[in-house]
Amino acid sequence: GQQLNQSPQSMFIQEGEDVSMNCTSSSIFNTWLWYKQDPGEGPVLLIALYKAGELTSNGRLTAQFGITRKDSFLNISASIPSDVGIYFCAGRPGTSYGKLTFGQGTILTVHP
Amino acid sequence: GAVVSQHPSWVICKSGTSVKIECRSLDFQATTMFWYRQFPKQSLMLMATSNEGSKATYEQGVEKDKFLINHASLTLSTLTVTSAHPEDSSFYICSAHQGSTDTQYFGPGTRLTVL
Repeated sequence: GQQLNQSPQSMFIQEGEDVSMNCTSSSIFNTWLWYKQDPGEGPVLLIALYKAGELTSNGRLTAQFGITRKDSFLNISASIPSDVGIYFCAGRPGTSYGKLTFGQGTILTVHP
Repeated sequence: GAVVSQHPSWVICKSGTSVKIECRSLDFQATTMFWYRQFPKQSLMLMATSNEGSKATYEQGVEKDKFLINHASLTLSTLTVTSAHPEDSSFYICSAHQGSTDTQYFGPGTRLTVL
């Protein structure tokens, strides 16, 4: 089945720095989603991408749907302490209605 | 964004008892909901797909008789962990698929502890 490789697994950065994480797939996805999860909470949707090449921003967050439809990245600019959490990418292949494949997650730590 | 609630947020039960977890989409209808299990510092593991008006579809290795799913309406799905044992202790999260946006929205999760 499809697999998503998300990297890096963890990041330790200083407040104010920019962050970049990405996901790659062995097969094509029709939708890419990026979520953030705080400890003890459910994932919260950050950005949804629906078209190859699409570049979408949400405040300090920017994500892109790769041209090949096999990858996506998420950038966070000017990080702040509340950006701490686990970030997951998720992709939906064309063959599954709604069902997502998740990346392993990127644990982000921001030092004040 | 769309809102999904989950109840209870945490539950502690004795071994051998059954526990029911509810998942509701509050401001949209969801013909499809999903149930996940998550271990500490790991990604979400899909357990089953809950379909309104039909039987749930379980992922390989998930016992359907142990994890009973009922999708009674377009806004409610329930997961019942039957005869719970300590190894069932985990964080259970549901999500609801919003068809108009092809997006899954997650509930806040339920922490189950089986003594």
